[in-house]
Amino acid sequence: QSALTQPRSVSASPGQSVTISCTGTNSDVAVYNYVSWYQQHPDKAPKLVIHDVTKRPSGVPDRFSGSKSGKTASLTISGLQAEDEADYFCCSYAGTYTWVFGGGTKVTVL
Amino acid sequence: QVQLVESGGGVVQPGRSLKLSCTASGFTFSSSGIHWVRRTPGKGLEWVAFIWYDGRDDYYADSVKGRFTVSRDNSKNTAFLQVHSVRVEDTATYYCARDSPTGYTFDYWGQGTLVTVSS
Repeated sequence: QSALTQPRSVSASPGQSVTISCTGTNSDVAVYNYVSWYQQHPDKAPKLVIHDVTKRPSGVPDRFSGSKSGKTASLTISGLQAEDEADYFCCSYAGTYTWVFGGGTKVTVL
Repeated sequence: QVQLVESGGGVVQPGRSLKLSCTASGFTFSSSGIHWVRRTPGKGLEWVAFIWYDGRDDYYADSVKGRFTVSRDNSKNTAFLQVHSVRVEDTATYYCARDSPTGYTFDYWGQGTLVTVSS
């Protein structure tokens, strides 16, 4: 159960796009289409923004999108807004009812 | 609306035990699996444990297997995380989260309860 690999931080100006990568292994990301992404603001509970690789829950803006290729999943935030500044974590199902998270990426809106 | 509220955190000495609670409302608790996830300053989020909707099966991260026990009381809409022989590295904010109706996703989270392990 090794953590998925994410960049520590990314940044961009309002209106621009950022993409966060999430690299796993042939035991998790590569073999299951159960990658999810969570947004967490300081001292707040995590919030689901993407599930099943590409699906967006009701109420999540369509500027959030997800994708996957091989062992790497990605979250793209288009048209970046100030309220998008937060920590983002990817998570993958890893089989036998276990899950693994990434180390988290801090998104900074310049 | 779906709500999950954790309790039971605090300061605990190494080697002691503690029991966290997660009380749910706004959905049919007895139909949903419950996860426990913790956030530590250095390691980010870490999935800890999962219990089936009926409590029949439970699963754990390798890092806590043998020391953590998850349970639930569906008559009280409450899930529990028992932590035995706590270690300094167990210091974290512990969250409970609902397993989504389609599975494999944590769709609603509580606000968390802070556990600090210190002598």
